[in-house]
Amino acid sequence: SQQGEEDPQALSIQEGENATMNCSYKTSINNLQWYRQNSGRGLVHLILIRSNEREKHSGRLRVTLDTSKKSSSLLITASRAADTASYFCATDKSGYSTLTFGKGTMLLVSP
Amino acid sequence: NAGVMQNPRHLVRRRGQEARLRCSPMKGHSHVYWYRQLPEEGLKFMVYLQKENIIDESGMPKERFSAEFPKEGPSILRIQQVVRGDSAAYFCASSPGDTGPTGELFFGEGSRLTVL
Repeated sequence: SQQGEEDPQALSIQEGENATMNCSYKTSINNLQWYRQNSGRGLVHLILIRSNEREKHSGRLRVTLDTSKKSSSLLITASRAADTASYFCATDKSGYSTLTFGKGTMLLVSP
Repeated sequence: NAGVMQNPRHLVRRRGQEARLRCSPMKGHSHVYWYRQLPEEGLKFMVYLQKENIIDESGMPKERFSAEFPKEGPSILRIQQVVRGDSAAYFCASSPGDTGPTGELFFGEGSRLTVL
């Protein structure tokens, strides 16, 4: 299996609910990043958490990192239909942004 | 402030032809990355370039693929003698470079290559 694997593969929720996505990785990292991709579009950076950080917030996003378990989670609170997209975690071993991406979680938020 | 610009957005080639994908990084960015995305997959790193230098090409196939980022002009990803397995979306990303990479990448909208 590859570095940076997300679960679940797909998640369907109602507007207003929270969405939690998880990511596991195999090797030591410099930082871990989360990106969003709308269908047919490029990736948009959401948040970066460094290896010496445990939790980070940005608006409705909350990311945690557990380096002992080599895992991270992304929580989106009070979800909106516009949050519908694929979400990818990406690990950076070198610190030079040669990222290793997982296969992503497809999030569907229904109105 | 224009974002990362990629062209063409869609490219169709027959087997054996050449594909050239172009990427202009964000203004002020001197680090360029190319990634490939197969259907229903995450992105796979291909190559990392700075102006006139290839820094890391560990993700590039050994044959038929090459990349450059000249002093003037866009970065080019070149695929010679394309095969059906090259069909994918190719994404370019850039990051600021004057004080070193900061981690966050800014992605273009991608170039979707279809090989017939």
